[in-house]
Amino acid sequence: DGGITQSPKYLFRKEGQNVTLSCEQNLNHDAMYWYRQDPGQGLRLIYYSQIVNDFQKGDIAEGYSVSREKKESFPLTVTSAQKNPTAFYLCASSIAADEAFFGQGTRLTVV
Amino acid sequence: GQQVMQIPQYQHVQEGEDFTTYCNSSTTLSNIQWYKQRPGGHPVFLIQLVKSGEVKKQKRLTFQFGEAKKNSSLHITATQTTDVGTYFCAGPPGTYKYIFGTGTRLKVLA
Repeated sequence: DGGITQSPKYLFRKEGQNVTLSCEQNLNHDAMYWYRQDPGQGLRLIYYSQIVNDFQKGDIAEGYSVSREKKESFPLTVTSAQKNPTAFYLCASSIAADEAFFGQGTRLTVV
Repeated sequence: GQQVMQIPQYQHVQEGEDFTTYCNSSTTLSNIQWYKQRPGGHPVFLIQLVKSGEVKKQKRLTFQFGEAKKNSSLHITATQTTDVGTYFCAGPPGTYKYIFGTGTRLKVLA
C-alpha cells in the first residue's frame, strides 16, 4: 500500500538531548513537510522540501534541523536548542500544491 | 508573513443542526484545501477549490471559494456525530508550502 509512515508513534526526550523523528513515503512525491501541532492548536510549518537535497525553513524552524538525501525520506531532528519541544509532529507529502497526505504523527514528550 | 485565520475557533451543535466555518487569508491563494482531523488523528484531505467563486458539494458538505481567492467556507448540513473533529483550511501561496488555518473544532451533541 502507498502511504507515508512516521516513527516512532511516541517519543520521550530528556532535557538536552537531540532526537530524530522518521518520515518515509512511497508515494513518489517530490514535496515533503514537517508540521508541529500543540494541543488544541493549528498546524505550524517547521520545514519543507520541494526536491532532494534542498529544503526551506518554515515559520518555526529554530531548534529543528532536517535532511533530504533521498526522495522517500525526510527526517526531522529536534535539537536541544528547541526549548519547548513537547508537541505532536506531523509529516506530510504532496505533488506540488495538490492534496497533502499526512503520516500518523509522532507525539514527543520531554521528561 | 502570511496568515490564515478561521472562525469560529470552537462550535458545539446539536445533532441535526447546521454548521459553518469560515477561512480568511491575508494574501491571495492559488487554491484552497480543506482537511478534517479527528480527535487523536491526523489531518485527512477533504477537497480542493481552485477557481474564484467555485462551489463544490460532497453529500452534506458544501465548500465555497471567495471571488478574491482570499476566503473560503465549509458548511455542513444536518450534522451527525461522525462530523466531530477539527476542520482546517490550507492554502499554498505559491507552488509549494501549505499554510494551514487555525482550525475550527466541532463538537456534535447527540
